[in-house]
Amino acid sequence: KNEVEQSPQNLTAQEGEFITINCSYSVGISALHWLQQHPGGGIVSLFMLSSGKKKHGRLIATINIQEKHSSLHITASHPRDSAVYICAVIGEYGNKLVFGAGTILRVKS
Amino acid sequence: GAGVSQSPSNKVTEKGKDVELRCDPISGHTALYWYRQRLGQGLEFLIYFQGNSAPDKSGLPSDRFSAERTGESVSTLTIQRTQQEDSAVYLCASSPPNRVQNTEAFFGQGTRLTVV
Repeated sequence: KNEVEQSPQNLTAQEGEFITINCSYSVGISALHWLQQHPGGGIVSLFMLSSGKKKHGRLIATINIQEKHSSLHITASHPRDSAVYICAVIGEYGNKLVFGAGTILRVKS
Repeated sequence: GAGVSQSPSNKVTEKGKDVELRCDPISGHTALYWYRQRLGQGLEFLIYFQGNSAPDKSGLPSDRFSAERTGESVSTLTIQRTQQEDSAVYLCASSPPNRVQNTEAFFGQGTRLTVV
């Protein structure tokens, strides 16, 4: 079993829909990242969380440390949100990022 | 520069040749990571440098892979006797020294390696 599990693996949405991507992890962590990777492009860090909730524009990230679970929400989705969204955790005792497999999001107009 | 810089951005090499990939981290970042992403697959950890500590090499897939870092600056990832399965995007990331505040990692644009 992978230390970081994401769901769904693939997600297709209509423009304007509210989107949720989930991440569960099995190890103790010091922080969790949500990353965005566009086709052919590099990786951009969207959020880093160790507790609670963060919001940036139409993106919201939450984390529940007790349940070892985080969610990334996109409100009023747009085709430009189409990308791979990756959850990554940093263990309690190290700085090495452990990645989930990613969620491929496609938003249709 | 303002971000993590990787070179070359693309590299095509013949099977059996050696390649060297370069990463210039953000100035002042003590932590540096190498990852790779094969086509259609997730990110795979390769190696991690933190300041002057011994690097975490636990992700290197074979002894054909090695990496060096000069102090807290540039790092090079070397792949000897390249094989077709080495074809991937190789990503470098760096982060500042203050781990207590759960600092973010900043990624380069990657080097796309194709072994033919």
